[in-house]
Amino acid sequence: AQSVTQLGSHVSVSEGALVLLRCNYSSSVPPYLFWYVQYPNQGLQLLLKYTSAATLVKGINGFEAEFKKSETSFHLTKPSAHMSDAAEYFCAVSGLSGGYNKLIFGAGTRLAVHP
Amino acid sequence: ETGVTQSPTHLIKTRGQQVTLRCSSQSGHNTVSWYQQALGQGPQFIFQYYREEENGRGNFPPRFSGLQFPNYSSELNVNALELDDSALYLCASTPGGDTQYFGPGTRLTVL
Repeated sequence: AQSVTQLGSHVSVSEGALVLLRCNYSSSVPPYLFWYVQYPNQGLQLLLKYTSAATLVKGINGFEAEFKKSETSFHLTKPSAHMSDAAEYFCAVSGLSGGYNKLIFGAGTRLAVHP
Repeated sequence: ETGVTQSPTHLIKTRGQQVTLRCSSQSGHNTVSWYQQALGQGPQFIFQYYREEENGRGNFPPRFSGLQFPNYSSELNVNALELDDSALYLCASTPGGDTQYFGPGTRLTVL
């Protein structure tokens, strides 16, 4: 079985500060891991994905994430927060099971950025 | 811009009614998945279609059903609506491989 835990339902940072959003996963098969962002009243936009290549994955908008198998983690970081980063962030795991791929999402982390 | 569109944007129904939500994917995206996102939660997998056949289903009752058409469009049908069906319904398509591209969603309110 696969699952995702996102630590911290709300994170608040100052503009220009480091952003760190935490994600831990559980998977019985080699996982594919994703971060998606959701702006208010919109769908999900893919930020980045890990698919067993490089463990440090760079995404859009200056975000990156590091896959750590020993810690079963896939934390999302950005060196300097911008006001436009305020949104809901979802970590997801995917793995072929029963002949199909489905995404299993965490509960999400709402990021607030203040001046 | 993912190339995935959904209609309608918003919908209000009453308990017991039936609803059809629509999704249009990019050409070549043979796989489409539907997710339900309740307020304040992460999306939950409903089912997936590949080449017009359902090939996977989450923990949703049979009153949730779907169709996929040869023109890369698909439908989610929900019968006998319940209050708890109020949610954002997301469609996601895949050209093959692991990445799913999401549409903007349909917000369903059941009164």
